[in-house]
Amino acid sequence: EAQVTQNPRYLITVTGKKLTVTCSQNMNHEYMSWYRQDPGLGLRQIYYSMNVEVTDKGDVPEGYKVSRKEKRNFPLILESPSPNQTSLYFCASSFSSGSYEQYFGPGTRLTVT
Amino acid sequence: GESVGLHLPTLSVQEGDNSIINCAYSNSASDYFIWYKQESGKGPQFIIDIRSNMDKRQGQRVTVLLNKTVKHLSLQIAATQPGDSAVYFCAENSLHYGGATNKLIFGTGTLLAVQP
Repeated sequence: EAQVTQNPRYLITVTGKKLTVTCSQNMNHEYMSWYRQDPGLGLRQIYYSMNVEVTDKGDVPEGYKVSRKEKRNFPLILESPSPNQTSLYFCASSFSSGSYEQYFGPGTRLTVT
Repeated sequence: GESVGLHLPTLSVQEGDNSIINCAYSNSASDYFIWYKQESGKGPQFIIDIRSNMDKRQGQRVTVLLNKTVKHLSLQIAATQPGDSAVYFCAENSLHYGGATNKLIFGTGTLLAVQP
């Protein structure tokens, strides 16, 4: 089944404890992206990657890192999480950078205390 | 998990009625628009798209209308069913914003509640 998977689905952590949220797609998509979703603000892009080893900042990149060493994986790294990063996170992928139809993962609910 | 619909405008309809969800977009240079559906606890799911050279596009039970004059987009769902209950987002492409391809700007969404 073609899909985008994320792990973990739920995470509660403390301020400053490094964490990684994994994202993997099995559709051989070139483009991958991370979003956060907050009430009243909709989906905001954190980082995106147009291909392996090519990443760039989205609208709200502060406090986040990403890497794209393989085509299928695009982990989101929070080196020192803070409470304002408590949010619902979505990974998405699409066939290419010119393709607007993005496929979303199921989401990761992160709480930072 | 927490619903993303808690702070959203809500459209409540009776099962079998038609639903119209509206969206105002911000950039007159946007040339591509998408509607997404997000059910509780799931990621957004593509419904239908439309390019700016079109006024209307129809899918299965859904129709998207685009009015570029007033920068307005609407999603019409015919014969609404309980399974249509979800948050609906419109999104516009943002080539205007720095020229990056495949960058979508999402609206905040509307919660559609279908009453049986």
